[in-house]
Amino acid sequence: AQSVSQHNHHVILSEAASLELGCNYSYGGTVNLFWYVQYPGQHLQLLLKYFSGDPLVKGIKGFEAEFIKSKFSFNLRKPSVQWSDTAEYFCAVTRSISSGSARQLTFGSGTQLTVLP
Amino acid sequence: GAGVSQSPRYKVAKRGQDVALRCDPISGHVSLFWYQQALGQGPEFLTYFQNEAQLDKSGLPSDRFFAERPEGSVSTLKIQRTQQEDSAVYLCASSFRDRGLEQYFGPGTRLTVT
Repeated sequence: AQSVSQHNHHVILSEAASLELGCNYSYGGTVNLFWYVQYPGQHLQLLLKYFSGDPLVKGIKGFEAEFIKSKFSFNLRKPSVQWSDTAEYFCAVTRSISSGSARQLTFGSGTQLTVLP
Repeated sequence: GAGVSQSPRYKVAKRGQDVALRCDPISGHVSLFWYQQALGQGPEFLTYFQNEAQLDKSGLPSDRFFAERPEGSVSTLKIQRTQQEDSAVYLCASSFRDRGLEQYFGPGTRLTVT
């Protein structure tokens, strides 16, 4: 079974600091990778996704993530955070399709990011 | 509709009561997923529908959990004889593609069992 680890449960940064949130997954096959964000009082929203091709993917609001296959990692980065980035961030993985299999997401436990103004 | 909607947003049930949680997916979305999110955890998969067919229910924690999507649009997750451990946020997600590559989530229903 696949699993996802997010090692940082709570990260506190000041505005303009750089951000990197770790995500590691365990699964031997081909995967699709996602970062979701949940702002206070809102629902989960897709931040960015990796399916194939360039391992450096860019998402909304200046976020990017790099897929490193050899390390089973998909870390999220942003060069300069803003107060409005305060939210919970979830890394998720789904295995690439085999016929008839649902692509349910396996999530990490989340990282709460607090950005101080 | 503009997004996935769920109702009720909050539900308090006494232990032993039955509850029904509703999900309205984005119009035209083929795939529908239910997830359970316990406090401080990420969502965990419960079940998956492709149109009206329930193709995977491997994540349902017990036979007290039952889901349906009879017309391939609205879905209902029913929990019978609720227990305290059922307290969680129940999330619904839908996707245009079959088998759900990119999923859009609803706001969830927070269930509290007292």
